[in-house]
Amino acid sequence: AQSVTQLDSQVPVFEEAPVELRCNYSSSVSVYLFWYVQYPNQGLQLLLKYLSGSTLVKGINGFEAEFNKSQTSFHLRKPSVHISDTAEYFCAVSDLSTGGGNKLTFGTGTQLKVEL
Amino acid sequence: KAGVTQTPRYLIKTRGQQVTLSCSPISGHRSVSWYQQTPGQGLQFLFEYFSETQRNKGNFPGRFSGRQFSNSRSEMNVSTLELGDSALYLCASSSGGTGQSYEQYFGPGTRLTVT
Repeated sequence: AQSVTQLDSQVPVFEEAPVELRCNYSSSVSVYLFWYVQYPNQGLQLLLKYLSGSTLVKGINGFEAEFNKSQTSFHLRKPSVHISDTAEYFCAVSDLSTGGGNKLTFGTGTQLKVEL
Repeated sequence: KAGVTQTPRYLIKTRGQQVTLSCSPISGHRSVSWYQQTPGQGLQFLFEYFSETQRNKGNFPGRFSGRQFSNSRSEMNVSTLELGDSALYLCASSSGGTGQSYEQYFGPGTRLTVT
């Protein structure tokens, strides 16, 4: 079974500072990788995705992530955060071993708190 | 395009009752997935429907069931509610397609409270 590990449950950072949210997955097969953001009392919004091709993926709101197959990681980065980036961030994986479908396995989430 | 809609947004039920939640996917999307979100267990996959057929299933008891209609709208039902079923239930839609995985777009969720 797949698993996704988000190493940090909370990340405090000052506004305009860079941030990295870490994500590692365990899968011996090809995967699709995603980052989602959840604001309070809302559903999940897709930030970015890696399906194939370039390992550096750019998403919305200035976020980017790098797929590293050898380290089975997919860390999310932003060079300069804004107070409005305060939210919970989820890393998710979908593998292709059983035909893929749309079964996402999520990490436990990282609460990003941006402070002034 | 309208996003994924879920009704109702909030629901309070008593132990032992049953509940039905509804999800309308983005127009043209044929796949609907359901997830349960709780503080203790996080986000867990319940099941996925594609073209009215259950395509994937998570590790939940049989009290949790779902269906999909010909217009791709989906419902999930939980029978004999337990306190532990209190959660945010999220629906996600995608274009689907056999053997491929597409990004999923989530609705705002239904907050179920069981007392």
